[in-house]
Amino acid sequence: GENVEQHPSTLSVQEGDSAVIKCTYSDSASNYFPWYKQELGKRPQLIIDIRSNVGEKKDQRIAVTLNKTAKHFSLHITETQPEDSAVYFCAASRGTGGGNKLTFGTGTQLKVEL
Amino acid sequence: EAGVAQSPRYKIIEKRQSVAFWCNPISGHATLYWYQQILGQGPKLLIQFQNNGVVDDSQLPKDRFSAERLKGVDSTLKIQPAKLEDSAVYLCASSSPDRMNTQYQYFGPGTRLLVL
Repeated sequence: GENVEQHPSTLSVQEGDSAVIKCTYSDSASNYFPWYKQELGKRPQLIIDIRSNVGEKKDQRIAVTLNKTAKHFSLHITETQPEDSAVYFCAASRGTGGGNKLTFGTGTQLKVEL
Repeated sequence: EAGVAQSPRYKIIEKRQSVAFWCNPISGHATLYWYQQILGQGPKLLIQFQNNGVVDDSQLPKDRFSAERLKGVDSTLKIQPAKLEDSAVYLCASSSPDRMNTQYQYFGPGTRLLVL
């Protein structure tokens, strides 16, 4: 089955700096890669996703890049703010062809310091 | 639109007792998922339903866990008997395909289970 590895497990940045979280996946058939943000005690919320037919996607301060050959994808947050502090999870899926099962990474605790 | 609803929000039981969780998905979402999230880890899929049929239950510990979605809407997840290692947050999610056939999964608030 799919295996998703995520690094780093914790990340501390100064407000205004950029943050990068990296994930690798094992199943070459995976074609859908969402990122979720989970604040303490709350539900995971989708913040951005990317399909395998594109290499990069941007939404304001958040961007995701995908390298299919290397089987890795990354989340980039620019101009970080204190409200970005949370746990971020990457995930991979075969999409509808594979029943849309999501395999999650182990999470990255991002702390944005003032 | 109303989100995914779950109850109870918290549950404390002793080991070997049984417990049940309830989920009401977003209206019209045919696909429903139950995830187990152990503290410090990412959610792990336990079971996935498409309407009232099971799509994937390969990671469900079937000797103690069961789930049903009889009418293709609400779902219940049961643990009987519970073990200490079942302490976790149980997340329900639902999805429906968009025009590109991608199914965005929307999560409920979860049920936090503590087994003593």
